[in-house]
Amino acid sequence: AQSVTQLGSHVSVSEGALVLLRCNYSSSVPPYLFWYVQYPNQGLQLLLKYTSAATLVKGINGFEAEFKKSETSFHLTKPSAHMSDAAEYFCAVSDRGGNKLVFGAGTILRVKS
Amino acid sequence: GAVVSQHPSWVICKSGTSVKIECRSLDFQATTMFWYRQFPKQSLMLMATSNEGSKATYEQGVEKDKFLINHASLTLSTLTVTSAHPEDSSFYICSARDTSGETQYFGPGTRLLVL
Repeated sequence: AQSVTQLGSHVSVSEGALVLLRCNYSSSVPPYLFWYVQYPNQGLQLLLKYTSAATLVKGINGFEAEFKKSETSFHLTKPSAHMSDAAEYFCAVSDRGGNKLVFGAGTILRVKS
Repeated sequence: GAVVSQHPSWVICKSGTSVKIECRSLDFQATTMFWYRQFPKQSLMLMATSNEGSKATYEQGVEKDKFLINHASLTLSTLTVTSAHPEDSSFYICSARDTSGETQYFGPGTRLLVL
């Protein structure tokens, strides 16, 4: 069975500050890991994914995440927050068959001006 | 690339009626599509996996006779909520898996309100 834990349901940062959204996973098989962003009343947009290549993954909008097997983590970071980054972020895990995604509970990011 | 559309984006219906939601992969073929449900302030919960040309696989607790899924082509899957009731009101999101099999791309969602 696979599961995802996102620490912090709400994260608030100032504009220009570092963004760090935490994600830990549990998987009995080598996982694929994903970060998605959801804006209000919209579907999910893929930010980045880890599928066994480089452990440091760069995504869209300046986000990146590092896969750390020893820590079973896949934290999402961005060096400098922008107001447009305010949204809800979901970490997800799947097996390498590309089968069903298991989502974390989500983290709402607020960016203060 | 990798665009998924859903139609309609909003639907309001009376209790007891049926509602069909379409999910289309616009620029790629998807042998597998997924249907999720999202309640307010909650994460996405997988309802079913839809495979082109075969029956859908439903998650535990999801009534297959209530949520009918058809995946008639490599670019279209439909979800029909039959005899809808107010508790079926939710945000329904589909996704389509790309040909690499690694990534799911999500539609914009359909908000259903049953009165």
